[in-house]
Amino acid sequence: ELKVEQNPLFLSMQEGKNYTIYCNYSTTSDRLYWYRQDPGKSLESLFVLLSNGAVKQEGRLMASLDTKARLSTLHITAAVHDLSATYFCAVSTGANNLFFGTGTRLTVIP
Amino acid sequence: GAVVSQHPSWVICKSGTSVKIECRSLDFQATTMFWYRQFPKQSLMLMATSNEGSKATYEQGVEKDKFLINHASLTLSTLTVTSAHPEDSSFYICSARALWPQYFGPGTRLTVL
Repeated sequence: ELKVEQNPLFLSMQEGKNYTIYCNYSTTSDRLYWYRQDPGKSLESLFVLLSNGAVKQEGRLMASLDTKARLSTLHITAAVHDLSATYFCAVSTGANNLFFGTGTRLTVIP
Repeated sequence: GAVVSQHPSWVICKSGTSVKIECRSLDFQATTMFWYRQFPKQSLMLMATSNEGSKATYEQGVEKDKFLINHASLTLSTLTVTSAHPEDSSFYICSARALWPQYFGPGTRLTVL
């Protein structure tokens, strides 16, 4: 079974600082997704990464994918309070399912 | 982007009763729908996958007789929690897709007293 692990699980950081969240997965995948979830809400799609070396950026968030290392990163630049949320990576294989990571709960302190 | 709706958004029921949750794809035909459950501060766990017109495929450990899934049309799937108990209290999220990507509904919070 495909396993997806995120690191760290919890992250508290001050506004203006940078940090990277890591997502490791155990077997070959054809797509990797990053989602954001606010408390009590469903998932908001952030990025989908399709190939080795893919990099996507939206605002203060940048995601990358290294399929050889089975690793994706979500980099936060100059964090602001509005980025406080739980971030999930999810990996798909050729089959139907999405396998979700453990989630990283980010708190940005003003 | 595509929209997936769920109804109701929050439901509180007594133990032993059944609760139905609807999931609709509003602007596309969903050949596949997924039901996830999320306990507080945990990740999403896939419960079952359903294709329109066929029986749902349940993940290991999910009781198919307790969580009834009906995917009667390309825009509607329902999840019925039968004889609900307090341990069934959770956040239920549906997802739908034609091909890729999957679109997620806003979730239904179920509280069983």
